[in-house]
Amino acid sequence: TQLLEQSPQFLSIQEGENLTVYCNSSSVFSSLQWYRQEPGEGPVLLVTVVTGGEVKKLKRLTFQFGDARKDSSLHITAAQPGDTGLYLCAALLGGGADGLTFGKGTHLIIQP
Amino acid sequence: SQTIHQWPATLVQPVGSPLSLECTVEGTSNPNLYWYRQAAGRGLQLLFYSVGIGQISSEVPQNLSASRPQDRQFILSSKKLLLSDSGFYLCACRGPGPSGGYTFGSGTRLTVV
Repeated sequence: TQLLEQSPQFLSIQEGENLTVYCNSSSVFSSLQWYRQEPGEGPVLLVTVVTGGEVKKLKRLTFQFGDARKDSSLHITAAQPGDTGLYLCAALLGGGADGLTFGKGTHLIIQP
Repeated sequence: SQTIHQWPATLVQPVGSPLSLECTVEGTSNPNLYWYRQAAGRGLQLLFYSVGIGQISSEVPQNLSASRPQDRQFILSSKKLLLSDSGFYLCACRGPGPSGGYTFGSGTRLTVV
């Protein structure tokens, strides 16, 4: 059973369109992180959300943490080819040294 | 800021051969360090983590082992590789604070043939 379910698994859209990807769980998390990974590289942290209902913006990317801290969404406005990549959500199951648990990711392709 | 160095970038090894992947960290001391494996369709799987020299916790029983001989060095090893050990191996370091983000290395693509 996957602790973090990401949807859609694959998404291919045209440049300039808007999109939203989702990260859902039945568990409550103290915080949740979003990463972006390009082929052959390690994931790069985009944002950490901590408070239920929190909204954070990073240029054209808007991240929201659900009120109950069980889910999160990433919305991209006016997508650019440079946004292409694998978007991963991840959460810490506890406050200790345990590593992050990752979703399987959304493969996003923005076509020019 | 923290920087993770991993090598080699790619590796092709025969079944039954040994493995040693090295990871070193710059820009921090006494970091929590992690080894992940990323396989197609399975996402990132936590293999080992370490909170200090000589301290290793294993998350998944398997053909691999890890060691931390120095504060900023983390090594992933195997005595005899299996085909199922193929994958993309990533070393990571955790940032400060309870919600600290992770910094990843650029990974090693291992193909066991």
